[in-house]
Amino acid sequence: RKEVEQDPGPFNVPEGATVAFNCTYSNSASQSFFWYRQDCRKEPKLLMSVYSSGNEDGRFTAQLNRASQYISLLIRDSKLSDSATYLCVAFTWGGGNKLTFGTGTQLKVEL
Amino acid sequence: GAGVSQSPRYKVAKRGQDVALRCDPISGHVSLFWYQQALGQGPEFLTYFQNEAQLDKSGLPSDRFFAERPEGSVSTLKIQRTQQEDSAVYLCASSLGQVNTEAFFGQGTRLTVV
Repeated sequence: RKEVEQDPGPFNVPEGATVAFNCTYSNSASQSFFWYRQDCRKEPKLLMSVYSSGNEDGRFTAQLNRASQYISLLIRDSKLSDSATYLCVAFTWGGGNKLTFGTGTQLKVEL
Repeated sequence: GAGVSQSPRYKVAKRGQDVALRCDPISGHVSLFWYQQALGQGPEFLTYFQNEAQLDKSGLPSDRFFAERPEGSVSTLKIQRTQQEDSAVYLCASSLGQVNTEAFFGQGTRLTVV
């Protein structure tokens, strides 16, 4: 079982739709969580950090549930430009720091 | 430079050849990570440096893989006697080294072993 698990998709949605991605993590020692976006043949880039209180950045809302070890990302009013792979990331801090990535969820927004 | 720089961008190696991949992190970044990304997969952790110290190399798949960061800035990932299964994109990332700080990735080196 992978330490960070995501549904690989693809999620094909029409422009303007709301789409939600879920992610679970197994290492209870993980302290910080992020969503990264990766476009085809490009490097991952930070989309947003994820906090227990939930955080919103424009059309994007992220939520963390530590008790269930579950992370979510909600995208409202999808744009064609949102088409990408969304990577769920858990950060474990300690003697050796580690960012652990999920496989990624592919989103395709269509006209 | 402003971002993480990796070289070469593309490398084709014959099976059995040794390769060296270079990463120039953002100046002042303490933490440096190497990842391996196969097609259709998320990045898989290889190793982590804090300054010049390699604190975690648990992700290196075999003893053919070796990484160093001797002066705490530039890092090199070396793969000896390359095999076809080593074909992947190798990503380097750096960060300030604090809990919630962003990790910035380089564009990666696409390695193809033929």
